[in-house]
Amino acid sequence: GAVVSQHPSRVICKSGTSVKIECRSLDFQATTMFWYRQFPKQSLMLMATSNEGSKATYEQGVEKDKFLINHASLTLSTLTVTSAHPEDSSFYICSAAEDTQYFGPGTRLTVL
Amino acid sequence: QKEVEQDPGPLSVPEGAIVSLNCTYSNSAFQYFMWYRQYSRKGPELLMYTYSSGNKEDGRFTAQVDKSSKYISLFIRDSQPSDSATYLCAMSLHSGNTPLVFGKGTRLSVIA
Repeated sequence: GAVVSQHPSRVICKSGTSVKIECRSLDFQATTMFWYRQFPKQSLMLMATSNEGSKATYEQGVEKDKFLINHASLTLSTLTVTSAHPEDSSFYICSAAEDTQYFGPGTRLTVL
Repeated sequence: QKEVEQDPGPLSVPEGAIVSLNCTYSNSAFQYFMWYRQYSRKGPELLMYTYSSGNKEDGRFTAQVDKSSKYISLFIRDSQPSDSATYLCAMSLHSGNTPLVFGKGTRLSVIA
């Protein structure tokens, strides 16, 4: 089956720093990747759609200058949380699209 | 009315029971229907992927889609403690690279 990896799996940082999360499709090429965030006991909330070689499409209410997305190749998309604050602490999950969406294992971000 | 409704549970069943999980939706344009399983602090894992109405079976899992009623189901036969997880229904207008709309997820506990 299709495999998607994420790195790091967990990160703790100080308020004001930037954090980069990588999402890779390991055994297929994905022209489209998605970024979600999930709060405890809640469902996934789509943040943005990332298309290879073009600008990401952000959902309403998601700050594009705060959550920078780069999709430089068919197997890699990155999400950078800039100037992170405690309210950005969450579980960030990416997915890569083939016939359907396959999800990465998630990255738990804690901002102190 | 939310686009996708799913009872969050929790649902607790004895080992060996048949589990029925359901979602209803309001947008008749949805054509692709998925069920994901998510263990605590992990990314969602694709269980079933169906197109349009009908049934699909894979091992102990059966997915049903009734587009006329806007109702989808996932049945788990001979449930095991390892099935204890949150089950998310998801659907989309097109395959692959279009955003998924998720239900809230149902927490299932299978008691040995």
